[in-house]
Order: sequence, then C-alpha cells, then structure tokens
Amino acid sequence: DAGITQSPRHKVTETGTPVTLRCHQTENHRYMYWYRQDPGHGLRLIHYSYGVKDTDKGEVSDGYSVSRSKTEDFLLTLESATSSQTSVYFCAIRPGTSGTYEQYFGPGTRLTVT
Amino acid sequence: AQTVTQSQPEMSVQEAETVTLSCTYDTSESDYYLFWYKQPPSRQMILVIRQEAYKQQNATENRFSVNFQKAAKSFSLKISDSQLGDAAMYFCAYRTPMDSNYQLIWGAGTKLIIKP
Repeated sequence: DAGITQSPRHKVTETGTPVTLRCHQTENHRYMYWYRQDPGHGLRLIHYSYGVKDTDKGEVSDGYSVSRSKTEDFLLTLESATSSQTSVYFCAIRPGTSGTYEQYFGPGTRLTVT
Repeated sequence: AQTVTQSQPEMSVQEAETVTLSCTYDTSESDYYLFWYKQPPSRQMILVIRQEAYKQQNATENRFSVNFQKAAKSFSLKISDSQLGDAAMYFCAYRTPMDSNYQLIWGAGTKLIIKP
C-alpha cells in the first residue's frame, strides 16, 4: 500500500462544466503522475510532477491542467469537460528511492461526462 | 519512439495450469526496465514483477516469472498453477532512465480468464 488516495472515486458531470480530481499521498514522494485509461489504449500519461510547483505535460495533456502546491496533493482539472474525457483516471507515484522506476497507483476515479 | 505491444487481447487457461502472456517492445536504448502490472476487476493497478535489462537472470516472484529475451525485445509473463484470483487485465510497461518525461510506456493489455 503506497498510501495513495483519489477523490472522488466516481463522478458524473455535464459537458462544459469544470471538474477537479484530487490525488493525495502520505509518504512525501517527489514524483506524481496522472494517467487516463481507456479500452484498447492501456494507460496514457496526462501530466506529471517532479516536485512542488514543478509539473509538465504528458502525451494527452490537451484539455487538462494540474497543480501541486503541496507535496502530498496533485490536482487534475478539466477546465471544460467533454464527452471524450469520459475515462478512468489514475494517479501514481514513483518512490524516489526506487532504482527501478516502478510506479504505484491509486484506486482510480471513474469520470463520466454526459 | 518506444512502443510496447501486447498481441493477445484475451487469453484463457484452466485453473492450476500454466499460461504465458506475451509482450514485445521497441527501443534503441540498452538500459531500461520492464514491468508487468495486474488490474483485477477492482480496478487497482498492482505491480506483479519487474526486470532490469542489464540483468541476464529472469525475474521470479512466487508463481510469476518472466522470459526476458533482450535481443528479441520480448518480455513474456508466465503464471504457474493459475488461480481464480489471477483473473485480471495484465499490462506490460517499459521505462528508460533516459526518458526525461519520467513516464512508463504501456501496452494495451491482455485479459486473462481463469476457467474453474
């Protein structure tokens, strides 16, 4: 258990509304990631963070923004949700002490945009 | 660009038997890491096993082992004595230390069905 929680776990929202997903970790890991998972695509990286206020884009960042004002929290915001953003969203951390670069995941958030 | 391919969308195996899931990858790097993750119906992503490319010995974790063939760029997962709890999606992932994006590159997954 890497001490990662995500909230909410499920959300239904309407097209055009803003949505914020929260990832919280309890072990002060430096690296945090947001992925989306869609059938047939595995996981795709949206944004990642390598420290407080240090973030960068992944391969599918359009329509998403992130913020990290504290080590323990990494927020993902959909500025104006679209139906194409219906997905399962996973937060992950990479332990800084890991020499093999594995990542550990939160339980996921299922987001439905109607 | 690095890619990871899992050519088997779905596999099935009889309980207590052995099954092998395939994964191939494309890279020009010599130093990298490979992973297998399991995703049961609970949706939680669970690390099953990892392999460092510089290690010739195949990794083993209890009933899970890999067949790592570096020259062929192949990284298959063998599950011995399959159990009902092994039913899940299995994802292969790749990572190179040279990647400044710090991301894992993922395959599309293989759904494993265990027949009682």
